[in-house]
Amino acid sequence: DTAVSQTPKYLVTQMGNDKSIKCEQNLGHDTMYWYKQDSKKFLKIMFSYNNKELIINETVPNRFSPKSPDKAHLNLHINSLELGDSAVYFCASSPFSSGELFFGEGSRLTVL
Amino acid sequence: GEDVEQSLFLSVREGDSSVINCTYTDSSSTYLYWYKQEPGAGLQLLTYIFSNMDMKQDQRLTVLLNKKDKHLSLRIADTQTGDSAIYFCAELGTGKLIFGQGTTLQVKP
Repeated sequence: DTAVSQTPKYLVTQMGNDKSIKCEQNLGHDTMYWYKQDSKKFLKIMFSYNNKELIINETVPNRFSPKSPDKAHLNLHINSLELGDSAVYFCASSPFSSGELFFGEGSRLTVL
Repeated sequence: GEDVEQSLFLSVREGDSSVINCTYTDSSSTYLYWYKQEPGAGLQLLTYIFSNMDMKQDQRLTVLLNKKDKHLSLRIADTQTGDSAIYFCAELGTGKLIFGQGTTLQVKP
């Protein structure tokens, strides 16, 4: 039983395309996150949702649009992909405002 | 602002102790965390310490916190090859977890 699952695990696409990554958690947590990990392994928060409500929106280009249909799901849609978007995107969940995050396996996005 | 710094690389021999160090800036952080990332996987929470504690021990792991110097360390006793991974220090800032750059631990047989 995977606690936080994200799909797809790998995504290779051309510049300018639009793509989505989906995330689901079965832990009953209130808060979900998207993090971006670059090639140097630096991990940066992008968005955080609590009970479907956006609570953190870091300085992320508006080509990135998160959507939370319910508290168990948080999807990430990216428009007009650029080379610099290549990274591993991690979904995570936690009880509200806790630092105890449960991470998915990551989605490696490669933009050509 | 909130910032967390770690050295990038540590190499030890199997059986030795490993000490991974971290400094942070936000003195109001209530909790500090250590996460582990194995190749091709997501991060896993290893341990955490409350800011009013100096030390926490959990089997082979010992966390030391020097709040005055804003310095956190993770000691792994009897390091094994399976401990090879990236270790991230993190502080709970304003509603979000701020991660350090990660320390790659290489364990040589």
